[in-house]
Amino acid sequence: DVKVTQSSRYLVKRTGEKVFLECVQDMDHENMFWYRQDPGLGLRLIYFSYDVKMKEKGDIPEGYSVSREKKERFSLILESASTNQTSMYLCASSPDFYEQYFGPGTRLTVT
Amino acid sequence: KNEVEQSPQNLTAQEGEFITINCSYSVGISALHWLQQHPGGGIVSLFMLSSGKKKHGRLIATINIQEKHSSLHITASHPRDSAVYICAVRFGNDMRFGAGTRLTVKP
Repeated sequence: DVKVTQSSRYLVKRTGEKVFLECVQDMDHENMFWYRQDPGLGLRLIYFSYDVKMKEKGDIPEGYSVSREKKERFSLILESASTNQTSMYLCASSPDFYEQYFGPGTRLTVT
Repeated sequence: KNEVEQSPQNLTAQEGEFITINCSYSVGISALHWLQQHPGGGIVSLFMLSSGKKKHGRLIATINIQEKHSSLHITASHPRDSAVYICAVRFGNDMRFGAGTRLTVKP
């Protein structure tokens, strides 16, 4: 079974803090994704990566950056957290852009 | 306007009832996914389909490409089916998600 893990299930940070969310997959997938999920809006793509050190902006990249130094690990960085970044963050990996396997999610609260 | 519209947003049913969740989309797609998200956040893929119908246990998914519409049916619903059901469509390398339907099945 594909396993996608995220570093934290719940996280509380203060405004202005730098926040790191980590995602690890164990199936050697080339493609990895970061989404945020907000009530009434569904999942929205922040960034995705199709190879090590390669990244592409999604629909809402503002205020976020990503890092992919190793194939299995994809990190989402909030350079200076703001209250409007309070959300559920979901990581996914995929071998082919068709079937995506999701992690358990990180519920981030910025106060 | 969201390219993927789901209805209803919320649905409460009694155990044993037949459930239908609808998904309409506005773009040409290569595939449609139905996903299930349980409380706590984890998402699992239920179906991926590009035509016709698929069945898995008590779950049935159908798609009408011409009408740009898909339905997810749950037969003999059970409280453990309570979850958020999400429709997602793929066109090229882009994926668009519906806002989800929150289903609560009461015993």
